[in-house]
Amino acid sequence: DTAVSQTPKYLVTQMGNDKSIKCEQNLGHDTMYWYKQDSKKFLKIMFSYNNKELIINETVPNRFSPKSPDKAHLNLHINSLELGDSAVYFCASSQEGWDRVYGYTFGSGTRLTVV
Amino acid sequence: DQQVKQNSPSLSVQEGRISILNCDYTNSMFDYFLWYKKYPAEGPTFLISISSIKDKNEDGRFTVFLNKSAKHLSLHIVPSQPGDSAVYFCAASANAGGTSYGKLTFGQGTILTVHP
Repeated sequence: DTAVSQTPKYLVTQMGNDKSIKCEQNLGHDTMYWYKQDSKKFLKIMFSYNNKELIINETVPNRFSPKSPDKAHLNLHINSLELGDSAVYFCASSQEGWDRVYGYTFGSGTRLTVV
Repeated sequence: DQQVKQNSPSLSVQEGRISILNCDYTNSMFDYFLWYKKYPAEGPTFLISISSIKDKNEDGRFTVFLNKSAKHLSLHIVPSQPGDSAVYFCAASANAGGTSYGKLTFGQGTILTVHP
């Protein structure tokens, strides 16, 4: 049974479209995150939510909007997709806002390709 | 400004030998460090961590060393096994609260290949 699941796994779309990536965790964790792995392979935080409340909002274009309907779900909606949005997006979760031993549990990633 | 760097994109090691993966950081506020392992088409999984109050942490074949004065940490795998072949990410956090709460800063990863 998958702990952190993301859908879809692959997403190919045209520039200008709007798309969503969904994330669900069944670990009972309080905090969820979105990370982006760019072309240089760095994993960079985009957002974090703790119990549906936005905690971290890094410098991300406002075309990206996270939505957390409950603490088990954190979805990422992207408007007006651009070529530079092509990347792998990882969802993650952790207990109590920050697990100092284990860090995060990651999903398997969503590879977004904008053409 | 990349605060965590893994300057070796790849490392190739013979089975049974030691693998040493390196990581450098620039932010002196970092006080907790983690290593993650990632297989293709999967998310990173936790491997081992170390607090800045320690200089070594060991878990089976994996040992992490921290040199705070040099702002450098390394992961040693002994003995290396073919199943260890993966991408290894170094990550760091600063327990500053506020907007840093829960944030991990990652390096770009090192691809480890262990040959039989």
